[in-house]
Amino acid sequence: GAVVSQHPSRVICKSGTSVKIECRSLDFQATTMFWYRQFPKQSLMLMATSNEGSKATYEQGVEKDKFLINHASLTLSTLTVTSAHPEDSSFYICSARDGGPSYEQYFGPGTRLTVT
Amino acid sequence: AQSVSQHNHHVILSEAASLELGCNYSYGGTVNLFWYVQYPGQHLQLLLKYFSGDPLVKGIKGFEAEFIKSKFSFNLRKPSVQWSDTAEYFCAVNPNTDKLIFGTGTRLQVFP
Repeated sequence: GAVVSQHPSRVICKSGTSVKIECRSLDFQATTMFWYRQFPKQSLMLMATSNEGSKATYEQGVEKDKFLINHASLTLSTLTVTSAHPEDSSFYICSARDGGPSYEQYFGPGTRLTVT
Repeated sequence: AQSVSQHNHHVILSEAASLELGCNYSYGGTVNLFWYVQYPGQHLQLLLKYFSGDPLVKGIKGFEAEFIKSKFSFNLRKPSVQWSDTAEYFCAVNPNTDKLIFGTGTRLQVFP
């Protein structure tokens, strides 16, 4: 149980275009989803927290107009990287919580974004 | 600043050697503690977690961790590693909020 999927697993886009990444909880309802960014050989950096039906809460230094997050249902959150630039190239990982008393998060497999 | 520290960045061991990976955090008050593992090409998986109770926590694949409150530590241990334990290990702290704060990770390489 507690499976989280991400789509696509890899994407290459041209500078200036936008890319949407989907995160789905497959067998549970995710009241809260999180988006992380992982640089090579570094840790996961939390970008934003999103609760179903409300606006995402962004971490300090993360541009909310550049990284658009939508959590329209209890099983789907999307991250759209707008006007992507090469410095946005990274590994983006989502995770989800089921709203229970445990603070455990279930992680997706990640999406490798390369901006050329 | 509040943070999670993993002092071992890269650990190389032979099979059957014992493993201990350090994790220290600087948050006060009640915290929930986690160790995650990321095998090559795979997503993060939970190894074990501590919320309350017995400070010695047993996880999957023979791993265990000990919460020492006075030292703000949650070190991961395994008495005898296997080649299949080669992976990146992340300590994470949940300081009573929704957020997980990750350490910088430790890359473990186990040679047969």
